[in-house]
Amino acid sequence: AQSVTQPDIHITVSEGASLELRCNYSYGATPYLFWYVQSPGQGLQLLLKYFSGDTLVQGIKGFEAEFKRSQSSFNLRKPSVHWSDAAEYFCAVGVGFYGGSQGNLIFGKGTKLSVKP
Amino acid sequence: EAQVTQNPRYLITVTGKKLTVTCSQNMNHEYMSWYRQDPGLGLRQIYYSMNVEVTDKGDVPEGYKVSRKEKRNFPLILESPSPNQTSLYFCASSSLAGVSHNEQFFGPGTRLTVL
Repeated sequence: AQSVTQPDIHITVSEGASLELRCNYSYGATPYLFWYVQSPGQGLQLLLKYFSGDTLVQGIKGFEAEFKRSQSSFNLRKPSVHWSDAAEYFCAVGVGFYGGSQGNLIFGKGTKLSVKP
Repeated sequence: EAQVTQNPRYLITVTGKKLTVTCSQNMNHEYMSWYRQDPGLGLRQIYYSMNVEVTDKGDVPEGYKVSRKEKRNFPLILESPSPNQTSLYFCASSSLAGVSHNEQFFGPGTRLTVL
């Protein structure tokens, strides 16, 4: 079955420090991968996506993610975190209609990021 | 502006009182979907629709109904809400063209509290 694992429930980093949020997926076909961010009380904003091609993808707000097929991973990175990055981050895989799937996104349970001044 | 809208954004109701959450998109998308978000569980799909008059159950459909009479609208209906349906609800839409169907555009969310 398709699944997405975000092993870190909560991460705290200092402002200006680098960040890496982990995401592992289980999916039998070519994955379409996404990172979303949700600020407190807000909706979901797409940070970046991977469909094919270059395995290092750039997103908004200075974020990037690297797709590693051999590790079934799609980790999100940022070289220098800002206080405004404090939010919850969700990794998702688009399952399309492969194997009778229902075209939805399978989400991880999220990683909450806190930023220390 | 391309967008998915939901109404209401916040709703407090009582057990058993029927309610409808509306969802509308202006991108001419064929695919629409409802998710609920609960702490520690992430987002889970409730229902989805491939096109007008074509709807199907997602992973957590119990207690919900949907309809798709027009391409742009996909209302979520709770005939007899219960406290376990207290949640944050998101509507999403996508095109079914090529790989685009994997990229879903989300509405702002509806926070529902059932007392």
